[in-house]
Amino acid sequence: KNEVEQSPQNLTAQEGEFITINCSYSVGISALHWLQQHPGGGIVSLFMLSSGKKKHGRLIATINIQEKHSSLHITASHPRDSAVYICAPDTGRRALTFGSGTRLQVQP
Amino acid sequence: DAGITQSPRHKVTETGTPVTLRCHQTENHRYMYWYRQDPGHGLRLIHYSYGVKDTDKGEVSDGYSVSRSKTEDFLLTLESATSSQTSVYFCAISDAVNQPQHFGDGTRLSIL
Repeated sequence: KNEVEQSPQNLTAQEGEFITINCSYSVGISALHWLQQHPGGGIVSLFMLSSGKKKHGRLIATINIQEKHSSLHITASHPRDSAVYICAPDTGRRALTFGSGTRLQVQP
Repeated sequence: DAGITQSPRHKVTETGTPVTLRCHQTENHRYMYWYRQDPGHGLRLIHYSYGVKDTDKGEVSDGYSVSRSKTEDFLLTLESATSSQTSVYFCAISDAVNQPQHFGDGTRLSIL
């Protein structure tokens, strides 16, 4: 059984659309990370959150600890948002457990 | 951007040969990690280090060893490479547990 499930696995959107990526996990966590990986391969940390909501520009991350669920929203999507988005629950014990990612393609 | 350098960036080698990948950081972060990324699996932890000469195994550590003789360098060694170790390898660093991890640009390793 996977500890981390992301949905959808693949997502194609038109520029300007509102996008939601979901992450469900089964382990107890102290925080959850959202990462972005562009086609060139580099991985960037977007958010780390342990409760509520965080916002950075057009990106919003929310988490519900009781329901073991987090979402990443992108408002007014743009082709440069095309990337793989990865959630990673943090148990606080050692390294992270990663979801397999959501591949987002935003078309002009 | 966090100062993390992985070397080499690309390598092609033959089955049975030893391979060493290097991760170098200039951030003086305590924690360093080696992950591999394969299609359908996401990132998986190979080994990590929580200080100089302090290392521990991750979920896919078989066939790999690591060393950390100084804060800035974390080496990953494949003693006798196999085709199943063809992958993209990422190094990451963090200042503490429960802090964001910063990733290197990755090393693409092909074992023929």
